[in-house]
Amino acid sequence: GENVEQHPSTLSVQEGDSAVIKCTYSDSASNYFPWYKQELGKGPQLIIDIRSNVGEKKDQRIAVTLNKTAKHFSLHITETQPEDSAVYFCAASDNDMRFGAGTRLTVKP
Amino acid sequence: NAGVTQTPKFQVLKTGQSMTLQCAQDMNHEYMSWYRQDPGMGLRLIHYSVGAGITDQGEVPNGYNVSRSTTEDFPLRLLSAAPSQTSVYFCASSPGTSGGNTGELFFGEGSRLTVL
Repeated sequence: GENVEQHPSTLSVQEGDSAVIKCTYSDSASNYFPWYKQELGKGPQLIIDIRSNVGEKKDQRIAVTLNKTAKHFSLHITETQPEDSAVYFCAASDNDMRFGAGTRLTVKP
Repeated sequence: NAGVTQTPKFQVLKTGQSMTLQCAQDMNHEYMSWYRQDPGMGLRLIHYSVGAGITDQGEVPNGYNVSRSTTEDFPLRLLSAAPSQTSVYFCASSPGTSGGNTGELFFGEGSRLTVL
């Protein structure tokens, strides 16, 4: 089955800096790559996703890039704010969705 | 806007006890699933359902049962609780039958289970 690895496990940045989280996947059949944000005591919420026919997608301060040849995809957050502090999960899906282990992002004011 | 509702939010069990975690969604989604979340391990799929009357195993199904008698409800049963089942459980639903391919998973707020 699919195996998703996510790095780093923790990330601390200063407010206004950029943050990058990277994921690799193993199953070349995976064609949907979402990113979820989980705030304390809540369930994960989708923040951005990308499909395998697209290399990059951007939504305001958030962007995702996908390299299908290398089987890796990344989340980029620019101009970070304290409210971006949360745990972020990447996932890869063909038929069922497999998640990375998560990255705890802390944005220091 | 209820979305996905899980009950209870917290539960403490003794080893060997059984219980049911309830999950209901009001979005008429065909796909529903249960995940467990453990520190450093992300979300792991336990069971899923692509529609009423249809269930299938995920990555970590042992010790859990599910049923899907209606579109709205997808309960998760622990048959004989073990300390290894201490975790936070999330129910999720999606409009598509695969949950991932066709788009967003909508998660409930989680149920924290402790097995002593």
